[in-house]
Amino acid sequence: DAGVIQSPRHEVTEMGQEVTLRCKPISGHNSLFWYRQTMMRGLELLIYFNNNVPIDDSGMPEDRFSAKMPNASFSTLKIQPSEPRDSAVYFCASSLAQNQPQHFGDGTRLSIL
Amino acid sequence: GENVEQHPSTLSVQEGDSAVIKCTYSDSASNYFPWYKQELGKGPQLIIDIRSNVGEKKDQRIAVTLNKTAKHFSLHITETQPEDSAVYFCAASNNAGNMLTFGGGTRLMVKP
Repeated sequence: DAGVIQSPRHEVTEMGQEVTLRCKPISGHNSLFWYRQTMMRGLELLIYFNNNVPIDDSGMPEDRFSAKMPNASFSTLKIQPSEPRDSAVYFCASSLAQNQPQHFGDGTRLSIL
Repeated sequence: GENVEQHPSTLSVQEGDSAVIKCTYSDSASNYFPWYKQELGKGPQLIIDIRSNVGEKKDQRIAVTLNKTAKHFSLHITETQPEDSAVYFCAASNNAGNMLTFGGGTRLMVKP
């Protein structure tokens, strides 16, 4: 079975540019999560959706970050404008339902120059 | 909010020895405790989890124990192998919304 699929795997761009990260959750999973991983702060939850509806976005750093889930099989995380401090690995995870195990994709390594 | 602390940050063992990683949590309402293994360039992979209605769970060479009173839980790996080398993360959440709070990670190195 296909796991969580993220694209691109790597993204290098200049500060000020718009960045869009994409995620396809495991088919049939109702909950989707976006995390950010850095050496300084570890793994942090940014936002999560249940049945395509954002439930908690308290982890989103600031207004430059936005996330959408237009349907059950696709989500995006957008940063506009990007800044060097946004450089990190961004992970998407999905679960069958709330309170079920989360399964992670292999992440997008983002570098903002 | 929940705070999860994980120790040690690095652990080096000889192949065949056991490895133990410990985590403490702060929110007594937490009731779900997964452990993840992360290899270089990959996402965290769930290896075992435990819910607060049990004190111990085992899966082959991996076991997790939970002490709700003391608010700590541990991962035990027996007969370690070089392929066990990775970064391990503990996490905790409660029923309020499936939001995981992760520990800082333990880099495990198994020397052949």
